[in-house]
Amino acid sequence: DQQVKQNSPSLSVQEGRISILNCDYTNSMFDYFLWYKKYPAEGPTFLISISSIKDKNEDGRFTVFLNKSAKHLSLHIVPSQPGDSAVYFCAAPGGYSGGGADGLTFGKGTHLIIQP
Amino acid sequence: DTAVSQTPKYLVTQMGNDKSIKCEQNLGHDTMYWYKQDSKKFLKIMFSYNNKELIINETVPNRFSPKSPDKAHLNLHINSLELGDSAVYFCASSQVTLDGYTFGSGTRLTVV
Repeated sequence: DQQVKQNSPSLSVQEGRISILNCDYTNSMFDYFLWYKKYPAEGPTFLISISSIKDKNEDGRFTVFLNKSAKHLSLHIVPSQPGDSAVYFCAAPGGYSGGGADGLTFGKGTHLIIQP
Repeated sequence: DTAVSQTPKYLVTQMGNDKSIKCEQNLGHDTMYWYKQDSKKFLKIMFSYNNKELIINETVPNRFSPKSPDKAHLNLHINSLELGDSAVYFCASSQVTLDGYTFGSGTRLTVV
């Protein structure tokens, strides 16, 4: 049962335009969300996060929006650049049977392709 | 210079063998993790250690055993390897804030 869902396996966007990556979650206990970016043959790297007490967090070209009532968050990248081509994972702490708060439950990822 | 380093990067081995993957972090973090990314690309937590103590042990076969000799190291031993163990295994570490969650570059394990 996927508690964090990224329903778009891939997304193609023209350079300079806005990229919008979506994430839905089912576990209402999640109160913190993170986005990670992953290049091939590398580990995921932290990009931006948002607490459930906020509905928006911005860091340079990256903005994450959270809609708690819809259990939905989105990552906006504007303007999109070629170096943004990567797989983006949405994640939330918790959501597994082993206990502990620091392990992350990940979505399946969205492969963002920025076209020149 | 690498913050979280894991070795080897690639590992090809036969079914039934026993293998280990090593992980070291130089960030001074108290918590280390092992994640598995399977063929469907799901990243799932396997184990978490805090200051050498096992905190999280998800539903993982007993053939997988983590070992933490000190808080900077978390190794993963796998006995009697099976085809289904083929995956990319990521080590990670974190301190208090979740934003400080740092991953290694992964070990691609192929069981033939």
